Amino acid sequence: DVKVTQSSRYLVKRTGEKVFLECVQDMDHENMFWYRQDPGLGLRLIYFSYDVKMKEKGDIPEGYSVSREKKERFSLILESASTNQTSMYLCASSFEQGDGTEAFFGQGTRLTVV
Amino acid sequence: AQSVTQPDIHITVSEGASLELRCNYSYGATPYLFWYVQSPGQGLQLLLKYFSGDTLVQGIKGFEAEFKRSQSSFNLRKPSVHWSDAAEYFCAVGPTLTYGNKLVFGAGTILRVKS
Repeated sequence: DVKVTQSSRYLVKRTGEKVFLECVQDMDHENMFWYRQDPGLGLRLIYFSYDVKMKEKGDIPEGYSVSREKKERFSLILESASTNQTSMYLCASSFEQGDGTEAFFGQGTRLTVV
Repeated sequence: AQSVTQPDIHITVSEGASLELRCNYSYGATPYLFWYVQSPGQGLQLLLKYFSGDTLVQGIKGFEAEFKRSQSSFNLRKPSVHWSDAAEYFCAVGPTLTYGNKLVFGAGTILRVKS
């Protein structure tokens, strides 16, 4: 089975802190994604990566950055956490097979910024 | 641009009753359509997907969905709901190389099952 693992289920951080959310997949997927989930808004794409050291902005990249130094690991970075970044964060991965490729999701990290 | 609309934020059904969750999409070509389910505190699990061919798609856990191009819809159905189906359901469109190789999600529908 494909496994996408997010390092933390719950995090509480203070305003202004630098926050790292880690995601690891074990299926040699080329694509990796970070989504943010908020009630009534569904999942919104923050950043995605289709190869090591490659990244592209999604729909809401402001206040976030990402790092992909190894194929299996994709990190989301909040440079200076703010209360409006309190949310559920979901990581996903998929093969680079062209159109219609299924994405596999991690369990999510619920981040609270106080 | 791609977009997905799930008109119902919450739906409550009785256990054993039938279920239909609505999904409408906006897309410039033949869409790739997905339904995912998220149980409380969990990540998303794929229920089913439509790529082409037969417009009625069977998925896991007894779910099915019907693609209707004329209505730009991809509604999810189940003939008899179980209490364990209580969860949030997301419809999604994509990914394609043309539109940036990403999934675009609807806002979700929360299903409550009453006994």
